Amino acid sequence: DVKVTQSSRYLVKRTGEKVFLECVQDMDHENMFWYRQDPGLGLRLIYFSYDVKMKEKGDIPEGYSVSREKKERFSLILESASTNQTSMYLCASSFPTSGMSWETQYFGPGTRLLVL
Amino acid sequence: DQQVKQNSPSLSVQEGRISILNCDYTNSMFDYFLWYKKYPAEGPTFLISISSIKDKNEDGRFTVFLNKSAKHLSLHIVPSQPGDSAVYFCAASVYNTDKLIFGTGTRLQVFP
Repeated sequence: DVKVTQSSRYLVKRTGEKVFLECVQDMDHENMFWYRQDPGLGLRLIYFSYDVKMKEKGDIPEGYSVSREKKERFSLILESASTNQTSMYLCASSFPTSGMSWETQYFGPGTRLLVL
Repeated sequence: DQQVKQNSPSLSVQEGRISILNCDYTNSMFDYFLWYKKYPAEGPTFLISISSIKDKNEDGRFTVFLNKSAKHLSLHIVPSQPGDSAVYFCAASVYNTDKLIFGTGTRLQVFP
């Protein structure tokens, strides 16, 4: 059974703090993703990684960075948290898509971050 | 610019009836379409997918229909059950990438 875990379910931080959100998957997936979910906006991709030490910007990377030192772990970093980064953050992982089929993304439970 | 749109933010259906959730897209390069279901305080879970070369895919109570000419897909749930109450996200995959573009979600409520 695929398991994607996120280090915190709820987090409260102050403006200007550096914030680390951790994600771990146990399925040996090459791909890992960070999304944020906001009302009326759906899920938006922040960053994704297709291999260790590899990363690509998603649709809304500004204000975020990521780190992938090990295959199973993908960290999202808010260098200097701001109130507009208050959101639900979701991590996902998957195998790479082949030409013949599409590989499901499996999601963690999410981290609800409040920046004061 | 929203490439995947779910124009109905909410839908209320009586138990036993059909639920129809709709999704429109703009990018002709999407090759797979998916539906995810999300309960509060949980991550989204994959429900059903369809390749762009098909027009229908069925899995138990869930059927997804794809109309490529209209750039429209829909999810039919029949019969609807109270446990189906959740937010449903439509998503699309760009050809030859592993990225998904999600819609804004539709909150389905199934009442007894």
